[in-house]
Amino acid sequence: DQQVKQNSPSLSVQEGRISILNCDYTNSMFDYFLWYKKYPAEGPTFLISISSIKDKNEDGRFTVFLNKSAKHLSLHIVPSQPGDSAVYFCAASGGGYQKVTFGTGTKLQVIP
Amino acid sequence: DTGVSQDPRHKITKRGQNVTFRCDPISEHNRLYWYRQTLGQGPEFLTYFQNEAQLEKSRLLSDRFSAERPKGSFSTLEIQRTEQGDSAMYLCASSSVLTGIFQETQYFGPGTRLLVL
Repeated sequence: DQQVKQNSPSLSVQEGRISILNCDYTNSMFDYFLWYKKYPAEGPTFLISISSIKDKNEDGRFTVFLNKSAKHLSLHIVPSQPGDSAVYFCAASGGGYQKVTFGTGTKLQVIP
Repeated sequence: DTGVSQDPRHKITKRGQNVTFRCDPISEHNRLYWYRQTLGQGPEFLTYFQNEAQLEKSRLLSDRFSAERPKGSFSTLEIQRTEQGDSAMYLCASSSVLTGIFQETQYFGPGTRLLVL
């Protein structure tokens, strides 16, 4: 049972344009959402998070939007840079459980 | 840099051998997690510790797997009688959690890639 879903396994974007990565979840108990970035042969690196009491959180070029009614969140990267090319994982936790549930990842390629 | 460190970074072993991995969390973090990641998947939770107490174990953690955090600092993950299906990246993460606050950010180490031949 995949509680966190990233339905797009890959995405290609031109440098300077916006990258939008999407994530859906099914567990209504989730109340904290995170995005991680992962390069090959490295561990995931924390990017940005959002609590369920908010619908938007921004950090530099990265913005996460949360739509609780649709159980959907998205990560916007503006402007996209070649160094952003990596696998992005959406993750969620909540309901009193400390473990984080990850999606399967979206591989972003930013084309120079 | 005082991030999460893991040792070794790579391990190749033969089926049936035992392996042990070590994780050193960020020094002030009281929670430590182990995850496993296979190709094309996101990290999957295995177990976690708060200080030295192991508080939760996934059903993925068979009886061949054991984890310890004896002094509430570093942790070890041992796999006994390894099988080819154990081949994966083993990730450690740590976090700092204040009492009454459940939302936490976990910071990951570089992982140990295990290959069982």
